[in-house]
Amino acid sequence: ILNVEQSPQSLHVQEGDSTNFTCSFPSSNFYALHWYRWETAKSPEALFVMTLNGDEKKKGRISATLNTKEGYSYLYIKGSQPEDSATYLCAFNSPDSWGKFQFGAGTQVVVTP
Amino acid sequence: EPEVTQTPSHQVTQMGQEVILRCVPISNHLYFYWYRQILGQKVEFLVSFYNNEISEKSEIFDDQFSVERPDGSNFTLKIRSTKLEDSAMYFCASSWDSPSYEQYFGPGTRLTVT
Repeated sequence: ILNVEQSPQSLHVQEGDSTNFTCSFPSSNFYALHWYRWETAKSPEALFVMTLNGDEKKKGRISATLNTKEGYSYLYIKGSQPEDSATYLCAFNSPDSWGKFQFGAGTQVVVTP
Repeated sequence: EPEVTQTPSHQVTQMGQEVILRCVPISNHLYFYWYRQILGQKVEFLVSFYNNEISEKSEIFDDQFSVERPDGSNFTLKIRSTKLEDSAMYFCASSWDSPSYEQYFGPGTRLTVT
């Protein structure tokens, strides 16, 4: 995989349901994987920075896992709430590309009451 | 909570005109970046800046683009002669330390070239 890919592109979730989605990235030359939450007309908000294979991070009802060997990360939302509605972006950077984040296209999550 | 700010929020300009997009990074951050997102496409890296010089730039960042930190607080992106294809949302970001730390993003400036 040469690009950063996210799937699905969008998903609709009922309030209270849990959901997850994927970010795929180049498994070689890995440095860090970043997750952002982006609401319309606002700044993308940093959720997690993940650097180690097997990393699991949690922030409230949102958590993420990282597999650098196979090149994927999952983001989980437990008990989705309407305020979780946003686009979730992942970004990859490699050690030879200092500071240059390579973004996926995002997963748009819509939580309906 | 400290945040990155950008002005203006929306800029409309005619093709061939120069534009300057302004950013105020978080005050104790040392690394600064510009990204852009053309409508319907991915966010893409333009340039990174550290210690008053460009650290890395993408192939998009040609001679028409320049960046500057004119004082201790502002970080600007200049496009000398805008083209229709420069229409995009431009994001400024800053970080305290190495790329393993978060980059904090501003809300973006929507540039429309007519």
